[in-house]
Amino acid sequence: EVQLLDSGGGLVQPGGSLRLSCAASGFTFSNYAMTWVRQAPGKGLEWVSAISGDGHHIYYADSVKGRFTISRDNSKNTLYLQMNSLRAEDTALYYCAKNLMNGVALYDYWGQGTLVTVSS
Amino acid sequence: DIVMTQSPDSLAVSLGERATINCKSSQSVLSSSNNKNDLGWYQQKPGQPPKLLIYWASTRESGVPDRFSGSGSGTDFTLTISSLQAEDVAVYYCQQYYTTPLTFGPGTKVDIK
Repeated sequence: EVQLLDSGGGLVQPGGSLRLSCAASGFTFSNYAMTWVRQAPGKGLEWVSAISGDGHHIYYADSVKGRFTISRDNSKNTLYLQMNSLRAEDTALYYCAKNLMNGVALYDYWGQGTLVTVSS
Repeated sequence: DIVMTQSPDSLAVSLGERATINCKSSQSVLSSSNNKNDLGWYQQKPGQPPKLLIYWASTRESGVPDRFSGSGSGTDFTLTISSLQAEDVAVYYCQQYYTTPLTFGPGTKVDIK
């Protein structure tokens, strides 16, 4: 059974940092691109960042470029999102998600989400 | 960036009746490499992550009931629920995966009338 367990969220002051993690199981992690999608309270879905299965191809939304860093450790089946210089507008539930298949950046499995709150 | 729009913002449909949601992209998402539309649909219920329903505009994901169907090409797409069930109350999002940044529509809320 595929499982994605995201963690690492919390309350942080503006300008602060957090590192999110997503522990994957039930599939060959290195074979799949992974992504982070966020959802502000009561709002819609926003794609944040994606990384290829081998980690060599990385993509970011303009809203987080230069502040967030996506990475993965295929030996630990874990996806990460390092978030620096956090702003109030980064407050959201952050989901990790698994790509459906190569060439199709849609997501068939999602974590339950980890809440990031940026506030003083 | 490709901007995705959806209509209506919300709709209420009687049980057993048809629900139709529209999605429009600001540019074509038809891939020349495989002649498929890089467009998917999700369902999100309160307190849950999204669930993938449709990819390539019209291919149902495994396990999705056949009352859900997708259609359209280029820039205009439709998600149809042929006979609304109580468990279909949710927000529905379209998403293009033609190019980065990947973008979602704003969502359409479906309720029971």
